Amino acid sequence: ELKVEQNPLFLSMQEGKNYTIYCNYSTTSDRLYWYRQDPGKSLESLFVLLSNGAVKQEGRLMASLDTKARLSTLHITAAVHDLSATYFCAVEVSNFGNEKLTFGTGTRLTIIP
Amino acid sequence: GAGVSQSPRYKVAKRGQDVALRCDPISGHVSLFWYQQALGQGPEFLTYFQNEAQLDKSGLPSDRFFAERPEGSVSTLKIQRTQQEDSAVYLCASSSLTDNYGYTFGSGTRLTVV
Repeated sequence: ELKVEQNPLFLSMQEGKNYTIYCNYSTTSDRLYWYRQDPGKSLESLFVLLSNGAVKQEGRLMASLDTKARLSTLHITAAVHDLSATYFCAVEVSNFGNEKLTFGTGTRLTIIP
Repeated sequence: GAGVSQSPRYKVAKRGQDVALRCDPISGHVSLFWYQQALGQGPEFLTYFQNEAQLDKSGLPSDRFFAERPEGSVSTLKIQRTQQEDSAVYLCASSSLTDNYGYTFGSGTRLTVV
């Protein structure tokens, strides 16, 4: 059974600081996703990582994927309050066209002014 | 439509009541998924449709849960004889087989069983 673990579960950081959220998964995957969720809202897609060594950046967020280590990271640079949210990684495994996402536990990020 | 639409947005049900949750996916999206998100948790897979065919229902927690997509577009998730543990947000997502951008999620239906 595929397991996806994120750490930390909770992260409180000051504005302007850098930090990294880690996502480990237990079996070979096809794609890895990062989502943002604000309280009471749905999931907003941030990144799709397709292959080993993939790195994508959008603003202050950068995601990377190491398929050999089964590890993805979401790096936050010079955090600002607007980044406060819960972040989920999700691993997609496609089996003969039968696809589904398995989500991590989520990291609740709070940026303190 | 422009996005995945779910209704109702909120539903309060008395224990034992049947409920039906609707999902209207993005037009032309072949794949449709239902996820259950308990408070403070990540979404968990319930079931998957490709067009009208339900290819995977391994995540449905009991036989009280039933999903259908009869014409390959709109889907309904039905929960019979609701229990308190069914309280959660139910998310619908759709995707295109040729879309490298993955899945688009709806706003969800928050079900509270009292």
